[in-house]
Amino acid sequence: AQKITQTQPGMFVQEKEAVTLDCTYDTSDQSYGLFWYKQPSSGEMIFLIYQGSYDEQNATEGRYSLNFQKARKSANLVISASQLGDSAMYFCAMRLNTGGFKTIFGAGTRLFVKA
Amino acid sequence: DAMVIQNPRYQVTQFGKPVTLSCSQTLNHNVMYWYQQKSSQAPKLLFHYYDKDFNNEADTPDNFQSRRPNTSFCFLDIRSPGLGDAAMYLCATSRTRGDNEQFFGPGTRLTVL
Repeated sequence: AQKITQTQPGMFVQEKEAVTLDCTYDTSDQSYGLFWYKQPSSGEMIFLIYQGSYDEQNATEGRYSLNFQKARKSANLVISASQLGDSAMYFCAMRLNTGGFKTIFGAGTRLFVKA
Repeated sequence: DAMVIQNPRYQVTQFGKPVTLSCSQTLNHNVMYWYQQKSSQAPKLLFHYYDKDFNNEADTPDNFQSRRPNTSFCFLDIRSPGLGDAAMYLCATSRTRGDNEQFFGPGTRLTVL
């Protein structure tokens, strides 16, 4: 069964420090995509970063990087130099590239950035 | 510039009274999705349209229906809302189903009294 697991319901980080949000996934498919989305209190989901299952290099987008370990089926999000505006809910998601391209979301991690 | 617009942002309805939520997009994307997100939970896909082709998730209750009259608009109809249907409803679009990004609207928060 396809599943996304985020084991950290809440995380605290000091402003300007780096933080890692954990994500593990389960699928028997060979072709899939992994995503991270940010959801501020306003409710809108904001795309952060994408990693394809066949990509050999870890994805990076500005202060965001995705630590992709395929053998461990993990796709952790690293946020460098945290800012107060990073306080939000973060969702890890997986899109299966077969059977209708369904996207499955994890339960989310709420990040609190302290000044 | 708003790309995915959802109206209204907040909707209150009564138990059993039909309600329609609206989503429009200016991106000319082929795919439009509806997600249900209950408090402190992950978004759950209800269905999506790939152009005019409707794709329902197996576990989406029959109480939920959708219409896509044209590329720009997609509606979510809840025929007989129950208390358990109170949630945030998120609309999203993507150019194709295999795209690396879905663009989300701000959501409609539905309250059922």
